[in-house]
Amino acid sequence: QKEVEQNSGPLSVPEGAIASLNCTYSDRGSQSFFWYRQYSGKSPELIMFIYSNGDKEDGRFTAQLNKASQYVSLLIRDSQPSDSATYLCAVIGGASKIIFGSGTRLSIRP
Amino acid sequence: GAGVSQTPSNKVTEKGKYVELRCDPISGHTALYWYRQSLGQGPEFLIYFQGTGAADDSGLPNDRFFAVRPEGSVSTLKIQRTERGDSAVYLCASSLGRYNEQFFGPGTRLTVL
Repeated sequence: QKEVEQNSGPLSVPEGAIASLNCTYSDRGSQSFFWYRQYSGKSPELIMFIYSNGDKEDGRFTAQLNKASQYVSLLIRDSQPSDSATYLCAVIGGASKIIFGSGTRLSIRP
Repeated sequence: GAGVSQTPSNKVTEKGKYVELRCDPISGHTALYWYRQSLGQGPEFLIYFQGTGAADDSGLPNDRFFAVRPEGSVSTLKIQRTERGDSAVYLCASSLGRYNEQFFGPGTRLTVL
């Protein structure tokens, strides 16, 4: 089992719909959770971070954390073609080591 | 303000050669990280500096890889006797502290022929 798992996709969502991206992690001691967006050929760009159970909203983005079930998700409302990218989940585990998932490719179709 | 910068943006070298990759973090960020990213994969952690010291170098694949940050700002990743398998994009990131969000530089694409 990978320490941080994401569905590689591609996930295809129509423009204007909600895109839902999921990530599971294995280390129950994990403390910090991040979502990064990465366009092809570019470096990762921070979208959201969340430390506590529950939801955190920022504009069209909502991060959801459930430590009991060991998953973190990212919702993108009113999806736009510019949201098409790879989304990386990153987790700082109990040993203070940051681990990235392999990413989910998201495609927003007009 | 200035973000994380990395030089060179591209480096092509021959198998067996030595290379140095440079990272200049965001001013005031005490934490600095090096990652390696291969196509279709997420960034793979290599080493983390807190200030001048390497707080965690457990991700360095072998003793051909070494990194320094002598004054607690700019860092250099050094790779000796490069191998074709070292070809990847090397990313640097900085943050205010270990548990804070990290900001990435544009990366150095290393190609070992």
